[in-house]
Amino acid sequence: NAGVTQTPKFQVLKTGQSMTLQCAQDMNHEYMSWYRQDPGMGLRLIHYSVGAGITDQGEVPNGYNVSRSTTEDFPLRLLSAAPSQTSVYFCASRASSYEQYFGPGTRLTVT
Amino acid sequence: QQQVKQSPQSLIVQKGGISIINCAYENTAFDYFPWYQQFPGKGPALLIAIRPDVSEKKEGRFTISFNKSAKQFSLHIMDSQPGDSATYFCAARGFQKLVFGTGTRLLVSP
Repeated sequence: NAGVTQTPKFQVLKTGQSMTLQCAQDMNHEYMSWYRQDPGMGLRLIHYSVGAGITDQGEVPNGYNVSRSTTEDFPLRLLSAAPSQTSVYFCASRASSYEQYFGPGTRLTVT
Repeated sequence: QQQVKQSPQSLIVQKGGISIINCAYENTAFDYFPWYQQFPGKGPALLIAIRPDVSEKKEGRFTISFNKSAKQFSLHIMDSQPGDSATYFCAARGFQKLVFGTGTRLLVSP
């Protein structure tokens, strides 16, 4: 049982490039979320999903897309990277109970 | 707009002392209040959580105190240890979303 896994661990992008951050969980959790963590800002919700085929926006969705075609996977797409998207990104999942499990994070730098 | 306000931003406590971190919220629809602990380079991990129908919850050295009327809750770490040095986040859940405070960096000096 690997829990929540994220790839890559580190990524450097140039402004305007696109990429996909991968997230997978093997706990059969319905709910999955993406957060970004910036100094002094805590964790801010980007997008979330309450089940396969259902996604919704969080606090800071602009510049990011998500899809949820399977229960296990919840990729986050950056369409045209900007320096303001330099951050640490965390994926999380939970069952219908309250406890949320976080992945190890992806550190993204946009130059 | 910060829905959960956390203080202090940083905290230094001597080994064996009590660490106290405070959070306040506005949205009365929140129904679950967890605290997360994060070590450098790791994802946050659930430490302890409380629901608003309980005023206090204790797990080992960690206690949450909850004041529903004041819309405040706090984390107390008794007998703080150097291994407790980490960043702590309070959070509140409502409408399927978990909203986080800005975090408190705790350093426990030996």
